[in-house]
Amino acid sequence: GENVEQHPSTLSVQEGDSAVIKCTYSDSASNYFPWYKQELGKGPQLIIDIRSNVGEKKDQRIAVTLNKTAKHFSLHITETQPEDSAVYFCAARDGANSKLTFGKGITLSVRP
Amino acid sequence: NAGVTQTPKFQVLKTGQSMTLQCAQDMNHNSMYWYRQDPGMGLRLIYYSASEGTTDKGEVPDGYNVSRLKKQNFLLGLESAAPSQTSVYFCASREGGNQPQHFGDGTRLSIL
Repeated sequence: GENVEQHPSTLSVQEGDSAVIKCTYSDSASNYFPWYKQELGKGPQLIIDIRSNVGEKKDQRIAVTLNKTAKHFSLHITETQPEDSAVYFCAARDGANSKLTFGKGITLSVRP
Repeated sequence: NAGVTQTPKFQVLKTGQSMTLQCAQDMNHNSMYWYRQDPGMGLRLIYYSASEGTTDKGEVPDGYNVSRLKKQNFLLGLESAAPSQTSVYFCASREGGNQPQHFGDGTRLSIL
């Protein structure tokens, strides 16, 4: 089955700096890669996703890049703000399977 | 626009008690999921339902049962609660295809 790894487990950045969170996956058949943000006491919320026919996708300060050859994808947050502080999860799903496999999550702290 | 609603939000049980966690979605989604979230473990799939009337085991199904009698509801049962089932439980739903999952805000369950 699919295995998604997310490193590091914590990341601290200064407000205004960029943050990059990287995930690797094992199943070359995976073709859908979402990123979720989870704030304290809330459920995960989708912030951006990418499909395997696209190498990069941007939405304002957030972007995701996908390298299918190396089997990794990354979340990029520019001009970080304190409200970006949260736990971020990456996930992967293959087209023949309706199940998402999640990474263990990374806690991002943005220092004011 | 309610999305995915989970009840109850908090629950404390004694070992051996039974209970049912409820999940309702108002988006007419075909697929529904139950996850548990434990510190350092990310989101692990317990059971999922690809369509009304069908259910399948996920990564950690032992000690749980599920029911999907109506398209909008997905119930998670604990027949005889154990302390190892202390966790935060999240329900999610998805339209189908490569559409994203939408999560509820979780049920925090403690078993003494």
